[in-house]
Amino acid sequence: DAKTTQPPSMDCAEGRAANLPCNHSTISGNEYVYWYRQIHSQGPQYIIHGLKNNETNEMASLIITEDRKSSTLILPHATLRDTAVYYCIVMDSNYQLIWGAGTKLIIKP
Amino acid sequence: ETGVTQSPTHLIKTRGQQVTLRCSSQSGHNTVSWYQQALGQGPQFIFQYYREEENGRGNFPPRFSGLQFPNYSSELNVNALELDDSALYLCASSLYVPPYNEQFFGPGTRLTVL
Repeated sequence: DAKTTQPPSMDCAEGRAANLPCNHSTISGNEYVYWYRQIHSQGPQYIIHGLKNNETNEMASLIITEDRKSSTLILPHATLRDTAVYYCIVMDSNYQLIWGAGTKLIIKP
Repeated sequence: ETGVTQSPTHLIKTRGQQVTLRCSSQSGHNTVSWYQQALGQGPQFIFQYYREEENGRGNFPPRFSGLQFPNYSSELNVNALELDDSALYLCASSLYVPPYNEQFFGPGTRLTVL
């Protein structure tokens, strides 16, 4: 079973920051949090990952709480092309990615 | 840098038949993972191959089997196809260094079982 919970859907206005929450209350000390997104019927695309510290790359920022029980993916200036299903993933004990249902993010003009 | 490729793109089979799906991993990667994604759901982990050996398996029956070749490409074989096997099959390659497992996905193979 997936070790994360996410809201099933969210809306965001184009040009605004999209903040996608994720709960992972059972995460272990050395388990990374990964974020992927999947645009309709395409293969998932890696976005970012983190362990303890906040991370930023050209696509997004990842904010992980100090207790590591939750995180937020931030898309700073959402565009229509960011409409996708976003998956927050924590690996299982065998270092495999176990996926939940994700959050369907809809960017509105 | 060559990305992950999968073939075929689409496939239609009938119940009871066998199917082989293929995946070429990204250059420099030594691990391939296979996933099944039913419509409207997240990907479900089938198995992972690391240096030609199965290195983890999800909750799938033995009729789902795989191979990884010396060049790290991979095949997924499904025997005795059932209607519920209709799904998007995704392959992902990675340079597996636990606990780090960033995976890069191919476009998938859409399998329809009639």
